[in-house]
Amino acid sequence: KAGVTQTPRYLIKTRGQQVTLSCSPISGHRSVSWYQQTPGQGLQFLFEYFSETQRNKGNFPGRFSGRQFSNSRSEMNVSTLELGDSALYLCASQSGGRNEKLFFGSGTQLSVL
Amino acid sequence: GNSVTQMEGPVTLSEEAFLTINCTYTATGYPSLFWYVQYPGEGLQLLLKATKADDKGSNKGFEATYRKETTSFHLEKGSVQVSDSAVYFCALSEGQAGTALIFGKGTTLSVSS
Repeated sequence: KAGVTQTPRYLIKTRGQQVTLSCSPISGHRSVSWYQQTPGQGLQFLFEYFSETQRNKGNFPGRFSGRQFSNSRSEMNVSTLELGDSALYLCASQSGGRNEKLFFGSGTQLSVL
Repeated sequence: GNSVTQMEGPVTLSEEAFLTINCTYTATGYPSLFWYVQYPGEGLQLLLKATKADDKGSNKGFEATYRKETTSFHLEKGSVQVSDSAVYFCALSEGQAGTALIFGKGTTLSVSS
């Protein structure tokens, strides 16, 4: 079974630009979550989608948004990039049941210059 | 809000030493508790979990017990190996279906032979 796939692996953008990251979950998984990992703040929950609906949302500004498609693939968008958005963005999938194990991808490393 | 605090590293041990990584949490309600591990260059993997008070999670020689009275979930292993060198994250679940995780900052473990 293929794991969680995130693309691209690395990304370099400049301030003010926008970026879209992609995540393909494990086949059959209906829940996709996004996390931001930085050395200072650690791992922080962004949002979770289940069956194309946002089910949970973390404490991030509206510049961070996401969506999920009918095949469970998910995209995350960050508009008007700031230097502080430089981070490793991790996607995780699970079947959607309560307290089920999360399967993480290897992440997209975003650098904002 | 909910939060997780874990001991800061790095933790440096010799092979076969005893490991304890402390984790305490603050939460309303009764969250599930998790330990995730991140090996160098890889994504996070679930190590173990406990879903209610007094539950003990175990895997690969690692153990942790959900202590509601002390709001703790300390990770222990009786005899560490070089291959256990990694970053360990304590986490609790919140949100609908418990699919949003709040992570601690992570503890880096380095084991030498």
